[in-house]
Amino acid sequence: AQTVTQSQPEMSVQEAETVTLSCTYDTSESDYYLFWYKQPPSRQMILVIRQEAYKQQNATENRFSVNFQKAAKSFSLKISDSQLGDAAMYFCAYISNFGNEKLTFGTGTRLTIIP
Amino acid sequence: DSGVTQTPKHLITATGQRVTLRCSPRSGDLSVYWYQQSLDQGLQFLIQYYNGEERAKGNILERFSAQQFPDLHSELNLSSLELGDSALYFCASSSGGGPYTDTQYFGPGTRLTVL
Repeated sequence: AQTVTQSQPEMSVQEAETVTLSCTYDTSESDYYLFWYKQPPSRQMILVIRQEAYKQQNATENRFSVNFQKAAKSFSLKISDSQLGDAAMYFCAYISNFGNEKLTFGTGTRLTIIP
Repeated sequence: DSGVTQTPKHLITATGQRVTLRCSPRSGDLSVYWYQQSLDQGLQFLIQYYNGEERAKGNILERFSAQQFPDLHSELNLSSLELGDSALYFCASSSGGGPYTDTQYFGPGTRLTVL
């Protein structure tokens, strides 16, 4: 079974600075997707970024980028120029590319932005 | 706004009761997923429907059931409610159906409180 681990329950960063959230996963599959979802105080789950395992190039979405290390099964999220609106719970998630389509989530990292 | 709608936003009920949560997927999406987010269990996949048929099942209790209707909206029925069923229930949708995994977009959730 696939597992996703987020070892940082809480992180904080100064506004305008850069922060990196860690995520590791365990799978025996070679073809899968990884996601970062953001859950602000409104509790809505918002897709931040997606990475296909077969792509070597790291995904980027504006101020959000990932460092995907397939051999190490690591998938970290870097937030540049942190803004107050980035304060939220961040969840790392895994999904197989074939068959079982359920998302497996990590336990989340609560990010606080310090003004 | 993800385009996925869920009603009601909040639900307060008593132990032993039955409730129905409703979800409308994004326009054009055929797959609907239900997830439960609780403090002790985190985000857990419950069940997936694709074009009216059950496609995958996760940690869904026998007291819970779901269905997807011809207009593609889905309902999650929770019966004989217990205090431990208090949680945030999310619906997500994806275009689904193809051989490859699609990104799941989440609704705003229904917060269920069982007293």
